[in-house]
Amino acid sequence: GAGVSQTPSNKVTEKGKYVELRCDPISGHTALYWYRQSLGQGPEFLIYFQGTGAADDSGLPNDRFFAVRPEGSVSTLKIQRTERGDSAVYLCASSRAAGNTEAFFGQGTRLTVV
Amino acid sequence: SQQGEEDPQALSIQEGENATMNCSYKTSINNLQWYRQNSGRGLVHLILIRSNEREKHSGRLRVTLDTSKKSSSLLITASRAADTASYFCATDERGGFKTIFGAGTRLFVKA
Repeated sequence: GAGVSQTPSNKVTEKGKYVELRCDPISGHTALYWYRQSLGQGPEFLIYFQGTGAADDSGLPNDRFFAVRPEGSVSTLKIQRTERGDSAVYLCASSRAAGNTEAFFGQGTRLTVV
Repeated sequence: SQQGEEDPQALSIQEGENATMNCSYKTSINNLQWYRQNSGRGLVHLILIRSNEREKHSGRLRVTLDTSKKSSSLLITASRAADTASYFCATDERGGFKTIFGAGTRLFVKA
């Protein structure tokens, strides 16, 4: 596609529910990143994929968070038993390769847990 | 935790003036990047400087990197109201591939 696409753009869910956030990277980009951004803060690294595998998931805050990229393209970030503290903008980015290259960001999904 | 720390946190200038933002980081890096974020949510890549480079230019942007001090600066010359945004530095750690962002500098350019 022309850019990184994230859906939905906004998601409101009740505390305790399960949510899935989707990211469509730029075609041909092998590296994919998920970040979380709270108001007034910089993006916080969550997980990085190289192809289908999670090369670095050290930023996932706890085991309620999980991400997959089964075919090396689209990725889904899954959050179980959502908490109010999970409310943030979730950003996805992709790049041609890992490191030393420009990352292209999607517009993000604003998650609100009520 | 975030590696980059920007300074100042907020900056307000008049159109036509230059804006300088600084970034410090903690570990050895492969490269350092600057991004811009408008009040919307997407981040836009501005410039990448590699660890063996000291200065780089792109249009009205000038970036410097001092690896001995673990710091970088972004200079925007002849600022415009449209430059109003948040600016983030981001570093790729040596030996790794994740990009770590700082908290950002909020720039406001008054017309």
